[in-house]
Amino acid sequence: DAGVIQSPRHEVTEMGQEVTLRCKPISGHNSLFWYRQTMMRGLELLIYFNNNVPIDDSGMPEDRFSAKMPNASFSTLKIQPSEPRDSAVYFCASSPSGQFQPQHFGDGTRLSIL
Amino acid sequence: GQQVMQIPQYQHVQEGEDFTTYCNSSTTLSNIQWYKQRPGGHPVFLIQLVKSGEVKKQKRLTFQFGEAKKNSSLHITATQTTDVGTYFCAVSYNFNKFYFGSGTKLNVKP
Repeated sequence: DAGVIQSPRHEVTEMGQEVTLRCKPISGHNSLFWYRQTMMRGLELLIYFNNNVPIDDSGMPEDRFSAKMPNASFSTLKIQPSEPRDSAVYFCASSPSGQFQPQHFGDGTRLSIL
Repeated sequence: GQQVMQIPQYQHVQEGEDFTTYCNSSTTLSNIQWYKQRPGGHPVFLIQLVKSGEVKKQKRLTFQFGEAKKNSSLHITATQTTDVGTYFCAVSYNFNKFYFGSGTKLNVKP
């Protein structure tokens, strides 16, 4: 079975540009999570969806960040405009519905904002 | 807000030595998960603990959940070079949202 698929794997862009990260969760998983990982702040939950509905976006840093899940098999995380401090590895994870489910992580997108 | 503290931050051991990482919360947890992330990789789920005082084993790995459900530990017996990576606890207070600890980076010298 395919795992969580993220694209692109690497992105290098100049500050001010719009960045769109994509995620395809595991088929049948009802929950989807976006995380950001940096050396300074560790692994931070940005937002999570349940059945395509955003449940908690309290971790989204600011209005420059937005996330959507138009259907059960696709989600995007958008940064506009991007800033150098947004440089990080962004992970998408999915899990089946229910209380005691493990999260399955994608390989991540390594984002560098110059 | 809720905070989870994970210690130590780093651990360097000789192959064959034991290793333990601890995860502590000031608030009672609903459940806790443990993940391992290899260098350059993504977090991979290891185990979940739900019950007070629960102990689970996976080969050389032993996971414990404290009686008060505020702390947990992961112990590796006789480390191997394949154990290298960062071990994270992920805690939940309401069975939904998880907060990841800062991780313990394990280095094993052959």
